[in-house]
Amino acid sequence: KAGVTQTPRYLIKTRGQQVTLSCSPISGHRSVSWYQQTPGQGLQFLFEYFSETQRNKGNFPGRFSGRQFSNSRSEMNVSTLELGDSALYLCASSLGDFATNEKLFFGSGTQLSVL
Amino acid sequence: GDSVTQMEGPVTLSEEAFLTINCTYTATGYPSLFWYVQYPGEGLQLLLKATKADDKGSNKGFEATYRKETTSFHLEKGSVQVSDSAVYFCALRGFLVDSARQLTFGSGTQLTVLP
Repeated sequence: KAGVTQTPRYLIKTRGQQVTLSCSPISGHRSVSWYQQTPGQGLQFLFEYFSETQRNKGNFPGRFSGRQFSNSRSEMNVSTLELGDSALYLCASSLGDFATNEKLFFGSGTQLSVL
Repeated sequence: GDSVTQMEGPVTLSEEAFLTINCTYTATGYPSLFWYVQYPGEGLQLLLKATKADDKGSNKGFEATYRKETTSFHLEKGSVQVSDSAVYFCALRGFLVDSARQLTFGSGTQLTVLP
């Protein structure tokens, strides 16, 4: 069974641009979460989606947005990129509603560099 | 809000040495506690978990016990191997509605095991 797939693996953008990252959860999984990982701030929660609905959002500015499609695939978008957005963005999926004690499976991440 | 405080790294041990990585938490109610491991260039993998007080999670020789009285979840292994070299993250899933829908992570501890 394929794991969580994130594309692209690496991305280089310049300040002011926007970027879209993609996440395909494990087949059959309905919940997708996104996390940002940086050396300074560590791992921080971005959003969580279940059945195409955003159920929770972390403390990030409105430039960070996301969505989930009917096939459970998810995208996150960052507009007006800043240097501080350089990070590893991790997607994770769970079979059911994560809040009901489901196990979370992580992808390998998209490494975003903003120049 | 919820928080996790993790032992600062890096930690360097010789093969077959005993490992302890300290983790304490602050949370309302009864969170679920986790240890995740991240190998270079990869996402996070769940190592073990405990969902209630006095539970012991164990996997691959690693153990951690949920101590409500000391709000701790220290990771231990009796004899480490070179292949255990990785970054270890302590995390919790909160008890309240929104905090149950996300993981709060510690800062991570880099472990290097020398042959």
